[in-house]
Amino acid sequence: DSGVTQTPKHLITATGQRVTLRCSPRSGDLSVYWYQQSLDQGLQFLIQYYNGEERAKGNILERFSAQQFPDLHSELNLSSLELGDSALYFCASSVGGSGEKLFFGSGTQLSVL
Amino acid sequence: DQQVKQNSPSLSVQEGRISILNCDYTNSMFDYFLWYKKYPAEGPTFLISISSIKDKNEDGRFTVFLNKSAKHLSLHIVPSQPGDSAVYFCAARGGANFGNEKLTFGTGTRLTIIP
Repeated sequence: DSGVTQTPKHLITATGQRVTLRCSPRSGDLSVYWYQQSLDQGLQFLIQYYNGEERAKGNILERFSAQQFPDLHSELNLSSLELGDSALYFCASSVGGSGEKLFFGSGTQLSVL
Repeated sequence: DQQVKQNSPSLSVQEGRISILNCDYTNSMFDYFLWYKKYPAEGPTFLISISSIKDKNEDGRFTVFLNKSAKHLSLHIVPSQPGDSAVYFCAARGGANFGNEKLTFGTGTRLTIIP
């Protein structure tokens, strides 16, 4: 158990809909990262937050947004969903923001039908 | 642009033998490299790392080698055990500068240890 909690584990929705993925980092970790893993793809970095502030941004679509709340949990919002958004979404956390060692949650499997 | 490449999607090794997983990168600014292991239905878990100022790091059965001139790193597992069967991801950090600490991951290599 990494200590990182992601909910829900599975999500099935339709095209055009909006969903919210939630992540609770390990106790004491200030940084939260979001990654997307599509079929046969590596982990694609989406966005990083450190202590409530956006720290780094990857190839995150404009339809996607995220935030980190004062209690350090984070939410990833995906809107106007398309079939191609179907993927495994991972959240990871670390103590600092230096990206040296990330602890991953077990992921949210999103299926857009 | 795939900056971190794992060209072997899969690898099968006999139990007790050495497993060698390879990773190539293109960005010379990467300063820290990590290997993660992933079992089905679980998130990746950290395995071992190496700083760009070193060429070798060892932790028990796991050794990571870094060849900066070739922009190549490898993970050696000796001896291989059935529990090592998993997908292994190579990752690289963009540099310890604000906003650049994200990890870039390869596509993974599925290692199967044959009993």
